[in-house]
Amino acid sequence: AQSVSQHNHHVILSEAASLELGCNYSYGGTVNLFWYVQYPGQHLQLLLKYFSGDPLVKGIKGFEAEFIKSKFSFNLRKPSVQWSDTAEYFCAVTAKTTDSWGKLQFGAGTQVVVTP
Amino acid sequence: SQTIHQWPATLVQPVGSPLSLECTVEGTSNPNLYWYRQAAGRGLQLLFYSVGIGQISSEVPQNLSASRPQDRQFILSSKKLLLSDSGFYLCAWSGVTNYGYTFGSGTRLTVV
Repeated sequence: AQSVSQHNHHVILSEAASLELGCNYSYGGTVNLFWYVQYPGQHLQLLLKYFSGDPLVKGIKGFEAEFIKSKFSFNLRKPSVQWSDTAEYFCAVTAKTTDSWGKLQFGAGTQVVVTP
Repeated sequence: SQTIHQWPATLVQPVGSPLSLECTVEGTSNPNLYWYRQAAGRGLQLLFYSVGIGQISSEVPQNLSASRPQDRQFILSSKKLLLSDSGFYLCAWSGVTNYGYTFGSGTRLTVV
């Protein structure tokens, strides 16, 4: 069964620092990849997604992610974080089976705290 | 446009009481529907999914059940709540191509 691993459970950094969150998945076939974000008190929302094409995907609020197929990775990055980026970030993967797409599987999440 | 509604937002229930959480989707037909539970440090765990009316698949054995009485309605239930059922429950929908899920605002359930 496919699995999704997020390497850091908790990250604390200062404003203007760069952020990189790791995500690896275990499925070897065709995948769709997602990063979701949950700001404090808000519901889960899509940050960015990769289906095909350019492996460098740009999302909302200055975030980007790079799909590296050989490493089964989809790391999330932001060059300079702001206090408002404090949130929990979830990597998610859905894998293609013979005739359909599987359910969305989530990583455990990374709590990011940005200090002023 | 498509919208997803989930209620209630917060619920406190005693152990042994029944549960019913409701989720409805508007603006689309024949959506795939999902119930997830979010626990601190454990991400989102898929509980149930449905690809059509009356079709329910369970991902993990548990004290909960799900039903889909109408195309755009998905209900999470329990006959007798356990303390371990406490958590944050999220409903989501997707199209058949699974190009991303859209989540509801969630229900914070506390069993006391």
